[in-house]
Amino acid sequence: QKEVEQNSGPLSVPEGAIASLNCTYSDRGSQSFFWYRQYSGKSPELIMFIYSNGDKEDGRFTAQLNKASQYVSLLIRDSQPSDSATYLCAVNSGGYQKVTFGTGTKLQVIP
Amino acid sequence: ETGVTQSPTHLIKTRGQQVTLRCSSQSGHNTVSWYQQALGQGPQFIFQYYREEENGRGNFPPRFSGLQFPNYSSELNVNALELDDSALYLCASRNYTEAFFGQGTRLTVV
Repeated sequence: QKEVEQNSGPLSVPEGAIASLNCTYSDRGSQSFFWYRQYSGKSPELIMFIYSNGDKEDGRFTAQLNKASQYVSLLIRDSQPSDSATYLCAVNSGGYQKVTFGTGTKLQVIP
Repeated sequence: ETGVTQSPTHLIKTRGQQVTLRCSSQSGHNTVSWYQQALGQGPQFIFQYYREEENGRGNFPPRFSGLQFPNYSSELNVNALELDDSALYLCASRNYTEAFFGQGTRLTVV
């Protein structure tokens, strides 16, 4: 079982819709969770991090964490063509332990 | 702008050669992680340095080695380059709760 799993996509949504990106992880002791956006040929860019169960909102982005189900998601409201990118989920086991990445979900926002 | 810079941005090496990649750290961060990202894959953890000591390593052979300096900048060294080492190499400057990436070094081994 992979440590961090994501559907590779592509996930296609129309402009203005809500995009929902999902991630599961295997280490029940994981403590913090990150979402990164990566444009083709560029390095990952941190969007959000979350470490408490529930929702965390930042602008059009909402991260959701359910530790009991070992599940973290990212919602993008009012999707824009500029949101088209690969979204990487990353998990930290705690403190200065390593951060493990999923393989990413490719999002396509159709104008 | 993350304040994390990597050099060089692109590099072409011949199989069997050695390469050194460099990474600055963001102010206030004492931890640097290195990742290898092949095309279409997520970043794979190589190793991490915390206050100049290696404190974690992924499934990479010993020919991948590193250093962290007192100013928390870091180097990744790869000996005996193989064709499969061609990838984007990313460093991430970290504190307890967040990790910021540099722009990456694209290494091509021919």
